Amino acid sequence: GAVVSQHPSWVICKSGTSVKIECRSLDFQATTMFWYRQFPKQSLMLMATSNEGSKATYEQGVEKDKFLINHASLTLSTLTVTSAHPEDSSFYICSARIPGLVPETQYFGPGTRLLVL
Amino acid sequence: AQSVTQLGSHVSVSEGALVLLRCNYSSSVPPYLFWYVQYPNQGLQLLLKYTSAATLVKGINGFEAEFKKSETSFHLTKPSAHMSDAAEYFCAVSKSSNTDKLIFGTGTRLQVFP
Repeated sequence: GAVVSQHPSWVICKSGTSVKIECRSLDFQATTMFWYRQFPKQSLMLMATSNEGSKATYEQGVEKDKFLINHASLTLSTLTVTSAHPEDSSFYICSARIPGLVPETQYFGPGTRLLVL
Repeated sequence: AQSVTQLGSHVSVSEGALVLLRCNYSSSVPPYLFWYVQYPNQGLQLLLKYTSAATLVKGINGFEAEFKKSETSFHLTKPSAHMSDAAEYFCAVSKSSNTDKLIFGTGTRLQVFP
């Protein structure tokens, strides 16, 4: 069964509003969670890495004030897209690294499609 | 810097035919290489990974990949395609075996015709 879930699976919002996306590790404790975005016909691009209880580490070019990441517990990380604009429309994917789970890999959520009008 | 190139955004094969999905990488350090598969409405899941042990890596669902340093390639193959193999396949490279800092290719959509 699925190891990581995301909610919502898709969301449509108006320009200027904020959108929160949840990433949950089901039945396992995730020490590290990752957030990616994927544009059509392009590869997944890592946005940030977050460890439970500490600030997220953002990749170069990713605005930390635009994409707020909170990793408050070992099973939940949230990504908030603040003051969303049409160019933020994308597919957002989270993943989790779960110590002790075999195979040793990132476990990915099914993604959240965001459309900003 | 590391990068991955997947040749062919779409590949179509008949059921029972050989599947070959191409992946070439660029890396300034010995790479760790991965293939992930994504079925509709599901998250990416690991098919197989190369971590500097055997160059021929066997994965789930009958897939395998061969690491060829001289060709900087890590092509994914399966001798006989099944309808259930239809999905999106991603090749990825990393500097570490724990899959942190994965660099993904653009993906290849595999279609399997009866």
